Amino acid sequence: AQSVTQLDSQVPVFEEAPVELRCNYSSSVSVYLFWYVQYPNQGLQLLLKYLSGSTLVESINGFEAEFNKSQTSFHLRKPSVHISDTAEYFCAVTFTGYSSASKIIFGSGTRLSIRP
Amino acid sequence: DGGITQSPKYLFRKEGQNVTLSCEQNLNHDAMYWYRQDPGQGLRLIYYSQIVNDFQKGDIAEGYSVSREKKESFPLTVTSAQKNPTAFYLCASRLDGGQPQHFGDGTRLSIL
Repeated sequence: AQSVTQLDSQVPVFEEAPVELRCNYSSSVSVYLFWYVQYPNQGLQLLLKYLSGSTLVESINGFEAEFNKSQTSFHLRKPSVHISDTAEYFCAVTFTGYSSASKIIFGSGTRLSIRP
Repeated sequence: DGGITQSPKYLFRKEGQNVTLSCEQNLNHDAMYWYRQDPGQGLRLIYYSQIVNDFQKGDIAEGYSVSREKKESFPLTVTSAQKNPTAFYLCASRLDGGQPQHFGDGTRLSIL
């Protein structure tokens, strides 16, 4: 069965420190991978995606994630965080060859809190 | 700008009452989804629809109903059979299987 695991429910870090949010998935078929960010009382916003090609993908606000097929991981990293990065982050996976109605499976989320 | 509009932002339900949450998209996406979000539990899929007049149950469909009479609209009804409806409800849409979902800003439902 396909699944997504976000290993840390909460990650506290100091401002300007580096951060890594971990995501592992389980699948017997090829996948597409996504990271979403959710600010309080808002919907989810796409942060970055891996569909094919380069395994390292970057967002416009300094986050990056690397697809590691052998380790079935898609960890999210940022070298220096800001107060404005405080939010909840969701990893998600969907499966190649499926229709648009196929499910996207979400992890349970990681709450990133930045301390000044 | 294209996007997904959910309304209302806050909704209160009385005992025994059905309530309907609105979701409209102008992205011309085929597929639409409804999720329920509870603290610490991530997103759980309620219903999804690939095409007009067709929809499928997700993981927690009991106590909910949907319709898809137009491509742009996918309303969710929370029926009186749903005994614990207090949650944040998110609507999403997607163009095709390889693309990410776009989300609305959510509706927070509470019990009076």
